[in-house]
Amino acid sequence: DAGVIQSPRHEVTEMGQEVTLRCKPISGHDYLFWYRQTMMRGLELLIYFNNNVPIDDSGMPEDRFSAKMPNASFSTLKIQPSEPRDSAVYFCASGGNQETQYFGPGTRLLVL
Amino acid sequence: GDSVTQMEGPVTLSEEACLTINCTYTATGYPSLFWYVQYPGEGLQLLLKATKADDKGSNKGFEATYRKETTSFHLEKGSVQVSDSAVYFCALSENTGTASKLTFGTGTRLQVTL
Repeated sequence: DAGVIQSPRHEVTEMGQEVTLRCKPISGHDYLFWYRQTMMRGLELLIYFNNNVPIDDSGMPEDRFSAKMPNASFSTLKIQPSEPRDSAVYFCASGGNQETQYFGPGTRLLVL
Repeated sequence: GDSVTQMEGPVTLSEEACLTINCTYTATGYPSLFWYVQYPGEGLQLLLKATKADDKGSNKGFEATYRKETTSFHLEKGSVQVSDSAVYFCALSENTGTASKLTFGTGTRLQVTL
């Protein structure tokens, strides 16, 4: 099993640009989670999906952030427009019929 | 709401020393408890878990026992190695039997030196 796949692994962009982060969950998992990790705020849950439907998006910081899951094997997290304070590592995780979540390697985002 | 409190880091130990990282939790129900580990530049990995009171999770020489009476899930290892240097996260899940929202602690950085 390839595990959770995220792309890109690193992204450097300028303030105001649109950023799209991608995630492929583990096949058969019907839960998908997006997290953000920073030194100041630690690990924050942004949103999670069950069977492609958003269940809890209360962690999404503001309207500039949006997430979609068009099918069971793909999800995107979009930031438009991006700001320097969005710089962080963004993790995707998936899970199935156990409580365990499996994390991807993360996307390190730097907004200049 | 649910919360997890773990000891502040960093924790610096010499190789072969004993490790304890404290974790306590607050939850309304009967949560499942987890320890995740994050090595430099990587995502979090499940280290061990326990789903009910008095269960002991163990993996790679690490252990933690689910103590309902003290609402704790302390991580222990008898002899640490340099390769154990990482950040350790305690977490809880209110649901059992399915993936759901995890509540994480702030993480404890462990550095093991020769």
